[in-house]
Amino acid sequence: QVQLVESGGGVAQPGRSLRLSCAASGFTFGSYGIHWVRQAPGKGLEWVALIWYDGSDRYYADSVKGRFTISRDNSKNTLFLQMNSLRAEDTAVYYCARRDYGGSIDYWGQGTLVTVSS
Amino acid sequence: QSVLTQPPSVSAAPGQKVTISCSGSSSNIGNNYVYWYQQVPGTAPKLLIYDNNKRPSGIPDRFSGSKSGTSATLGITGLLTGDEADYYCETWDSSLSAEVFGGGTKLTVL
Repeated sequence: QVQLVESGGGVAQPGRSLRLSCAASGFTFGSYGIHWVRQAPGKGLEWVALIWYDGSDRYYADSVKGRFTISRDNSKNTLFLQMNSLRAEDTAVYYCARRDYGGSIDYWGQGTLVTVSS
Repeated sequence: QSVLTQPPSVSAAPGQKVTISCSGSSSNIGNNYVYWYQQVPGTAPKLLIYDNNKRPSGIPDRFSGSKSGTSATLGITGLLTGDEADYYCETWDSSLSAEVFGGGTKLTVL
């Protein structure tokens, strides 16, 4: 079965960096685009970034552009999110999620919590 | 402020019907497919509707989706207490080159 497992969350000070990982299994990872979507405590879903199946295209929300970088290693079935210059407003649960061929998000991980606080 | 506008909350009695609206523009809903997700608090979202009105396998036909112009609607009939959750619309915005979510609608089954 399709599984997406995020890791790397934790507490970081403002201005510091964190790197999230998402380990995929149960499907041909290198054939699918993958998103990062986040949810601040008590708030709605916010799309963060998308990487194409082969890494050839990447898209970012304006709120993270220039600070976050999405990447992937198809040989290791793993997705990454490098988060630099963290701000308090980046505090959220971060989900990795699979983009199906039609464009919907058909599978989600369980999320990893990132807290940015001094 | 979300690009897609949803009502913050809706409510109805068990067995009744409810609709949740999602309003956008020509750069998003008007020219792209709309997707709907259900999120029970504390859990990951789940895909309910794709391509405006299609249901993934396992989603009961009590859930339906429609789109007209720059707006979309999620309908739920025969409400169950287990339908209490947050519901989100989502689509691609061609002007932003970004996925966009609605602000979410909390459904209460009274």
